[in-house]
Amino acid sequence: DTEVTQTPKHLVMGMTNKKSLKCEQHMGHRAMYWYKQKAKKPPELMFVYSYEKLSINESVPSRFSPECPNSSLLNLHLHALQPEDSALYLCASSQGRGRSYEQYFGPGTRLTVT
Amino acid sequence: AQKVTQAQTEISVVEKEDVTLDCVYETRDTTYYLFWYKQPPSGELVFLIRRNSFDEQNEISGRYSWNFQKSTSSFNFTITASQVVDSAVYFCALRSDNYGQNFVFGPGTRLSVLP
Repeated sequence: DTEVTQTPKHLVMGMTNKKSLKCEQHMGHRAMYWYKQKAKKPPELMFVYSYEKLSINESVPSRFSPECPNSSLLNLHLHALQPEDSALYLCASSQGRGRSYEQYFGPGTRLTVT
Repeated sequence: AQKVTQAQTEISVVEKEDVTLDCVYETRDTTYYLFWYKQPPSGELVFLIRRNSFDEQNEISGRYSWNFQKSTSSFNFTITASQVVDSAVYFCALRSDNYGQNFVFGPGTRLSVLP
């Protein structure tokens, strides 16, 4: 069973809406990640938080705004999205940022932008 | 350059058959880690295994086994006596210090196990 939870499971939003995706983990992990996955493609890294500080932003447009309120929570705020932003958004966590740590993924949020 | 190749885009087998998923990687780093993840239709990526570059021992976990060969830069995954629940997309991934410690994912192999 996954110990990374994500809400909502599905989200449909218009291009003028503001919404947020939420992620929570209770494994005591200190690194958390947001990925975007388009159909039939591997996940693409968007953001990395390490010890609640943003350490990597993979040139993601400003209409995506991450937030890490505490070590267990990760949010992704969405504003003025485009239809091409429709995708599966996956949250993950790992014990640390190092290369040896596996990442544990949540079930994802399927986002549709109309 | 870092790269992971999974040449098999889609594989179909009948239940109880054995199936091997291929993974070939490229890296100039001497220390790196290889991973396999399973993504069932529900969407969540499930961690299966991690192997570091200094450990070439093969591993078996139930019906799953992995063959790591540095000489051919391959990290292949075999499912023995496949079951319908094994149907999923399987990703091989590489991580090393010199690529910002981020995953380099292969394109994935979609496995369909037919009853």
